[in-house]
Amino acid sequence: RKEVEQDPGPFNVPEGATVAFNCTYSNSASQSFFWYRQDCRKEPKLLMSVYSSGNEDGRFTAQLNRASQYISLLIRDSKLSDSATYLCVVNNYGGATNKLIFGTGTLLAVQP
Amino acid sequence: DVKVTQSSRYLVKRTGEKVFLECVQDMDHENMFWYRQDPGLGLRLIYFSYDVKMKEKGDIPEGYSVSREKKERFSLILESASTNQTSMYLCASSFPGTYQPQHFGDGTRLSIL
Repeated sequence: RKEVEQDPGPFNVPEGATVAFNCTYSNSASQSFFWYRQDCRKEPKLLMSVYSSGNEDGRFTAQLNRASQYISLLIRDSKLSDSATYLCVVNNYGGATNKLIFGTGTLLAVQP
Repeated sequence: DVKVTQSSRYLVKRTGEKVFLECVQDMDHENMFWYRQDPGLGLRLIYFSYDVKMKEKGDIPEGYSVSREKKERFSLILESASTNQTSMYLCASSFPGTYQPQHFGDGTRLSIL
């Protein structure tokens, strides 16, 4: 079983739609969680950290469910510019070394 | 703004060559990382470093080595390049600590012929 699993998609949605991605992780001791965004042939960029109480940044909402070991990302009012691959990222190690484990990503295509 | 700079965007080398990939960050980050990214496999950690002259193996270190002589610079070395090392290579850096995200350079697309 992979340590971090995501539905690869693609998710094809019209502009203005709400879309949600889920990600599951296997290690119950995982320490911290992030969502990254990666455009085609570009580097991953931090979208948001995921906090235990859930957090929101504009049209984006991240949730963490430790009991079920999954993380979600909700995007409201989708824009064409949201088209990208979204990577779920988990830190299992804690401490100073800060090693991260990356999911393989979910591809989102927002259609006009 | 965090800046992680990789020396080349595209690189073509021949089998058996020794290849150097350079990465420089300007945020005084203690931690630096080298990944490779392949379709369907995601990002895989090759090596990382949490201090000058310190290095640790990641998940796929075979065929690679690293050097960190200065805090801001982390080099990845392919000792004898092979075609299965054709990939996108990504460097990242971060502060130490569980809740610190990593910041990536814009990648080097390496082709080994």
